[in-house]
Amino acid sequence: DTEVTQTPKHLVMGMTNKKSLKCEQHMGHRAMYWYKQKAKKPPELMFVYSYEKLSINESVPSRFSPECPNSSLLNLHLHALQPEDSALYLCASSQFGGLPSTDTQYFGPGTRLTVL
Amino acid sequence: GESVGLHLPTLSVQEGDNSIINCAYSNSASDYFIWYKQESGKGPQFIIDIRSNMDKRQGQRVTVLLNKTVKHLSLQIAATQPGDSAVYFCAENVGLTQGAQKLVFGQGTRLTINP
Repeated sequence: DTEVTQTPKHLVMGMTNKKSLKCEQHMGHRAMYWYKQKAKKPPELMFVYSYEKLSINESVPSRFSPECPNSSLLNLHLHALQPEDSALYLCASSQFGGLPSTDTQYFGPGTRLTVL
Repeated sequence: GESVGLHLPTLSVQEGDNSIINCAYSNSASDYFIWYKQESGKGPQFIIDIRSNMDKRQGQRVTVLLNKTVKHLSLQIAATQPGDSAVYFCAENVGLTQGAQKLVFGQGTRLTINP
């Protein structure tokens, strides 16, 4: 089973709203990732959690706040977003989170976010 | 800097034909490459991977070829079916100074299967 689940599937929010995206995996993976994907573009890495600790922040604006409550769950808290933040937000997980270099990432279906 | 790119943004083939999707990478130190398939409205789906100590790897109807000399990667899909229509991304696993790794994706190729 290589399933990563994400909720909600779609989210519409205003610029003053606070919302959260959720991601879950039960594969025993110790690394989890958030990616942002704009239309007709490849995914771009935002954050990496390895063993429940933030290991990579790709200079993401503070209006995006990740959280890893445990090894199976990953949240992305959203606050004061801009319309240009509208995108598909993808969660992924991998077994080790860095080493070995053959650590395969498996993706969830994504949350389609629209900021009005 | 590191980059992974595709030669063709779109590819159209007849159902039943074979298709080849190409990818160029620039980081000669990369040792792991993955092909993902992304259907409309879905997340990227793992197809096949290859390590740098291999030249070729085969899966079910798919083959990945790696040419380290020219830093080129290709995905071959045999006997294409309508369900193969999707955007295909190559990805390169890049080492970071923090000791972590991240995937760098190519720009993607949209494969369309004509009946």
